[in-house]
Amino acid sequence: SQTIHQWPATLVQPVGSPLSLECTVEGTSNPNLYWYRQAAGRGLQLLFYSVGIGQISSEVPQNLSASRPQDRQFILSSKKLLLSDSGFYLCALTPDSKHSTDTQYFGPGTRLTVL
Amino acid sequence: AQKVTQAQTEISVVEKEDVTLDCVYETRDTTYYLFWYKQPPSGELVFLIRRNSFDEQNEISGRYSWNFQKSTSSFNFTITASQVVDSAVYFCALSALYSGGGADGLTFGKGTHLIIQP
Repeated sequence: SQTIHQWPATLVQPVGSPLSLECTVEGTSNPNLYWYRQAAGRGLQLLFYSVGIGQISSEVPQNLSASRPQDRQFILSSKKLLLSDSGFYLCALTPDSKHSTDTQYFGPGTRLTVL
Repeated sequence: AQKVTQAQTEISVVEKEDVTLDCVYETRDTTYYLFWYKQPPSGELVFLIRRNSFDEQNEISGRYSWNFQKSTSSFNFTITASQVVDSAVYFCALSALYSGGGADGLTFGKGTHLIIQP
């Protein structure tokens, strides 16, 4: 079965600083990968998804970006963090699938606080 | 557009009581899938069930059961004989097979915080 690693687990950053969150997966090849954000008191919002290396789709306009340099690596970045970027960031995958209706499995998440 | 509504923000029951979490969805697609996830205090989302729109049979897994009714666009989740370990936030989610295909993510409800008191 697949495993999702997210690093770091917790992060506190000042406004205006850069950001890099990493998601790596094991136990599957060619997965679809997703970045979600969960803000306090709200549900999960899809930020980006990727169907392959170098292929990124963005769901909402924002100051965040994503990259997929390797099949099993998905990175979320920002050049300058805003207070509104605070939240819980979750990486998810559908294993070896091109269908969004397949089950998505989630990583442990990164809790980001922007001060 | 898709939408998932979980009207119950928080539910608190005493251990061993049965509890039902409501989920109402909206979609114009005829083929879609519904999901339930559990988010314990640690934060990781744990997959519980996936059900397609053509299968309206209720499902039971141990103390968990799910009632899917297309007529009311609902996919409710019941925990029988609740336990303290069931305390978590539970999310209902929807994914539809768009005519254009693609790999879009899930549409989540805002979650129901379930508190099981000993």
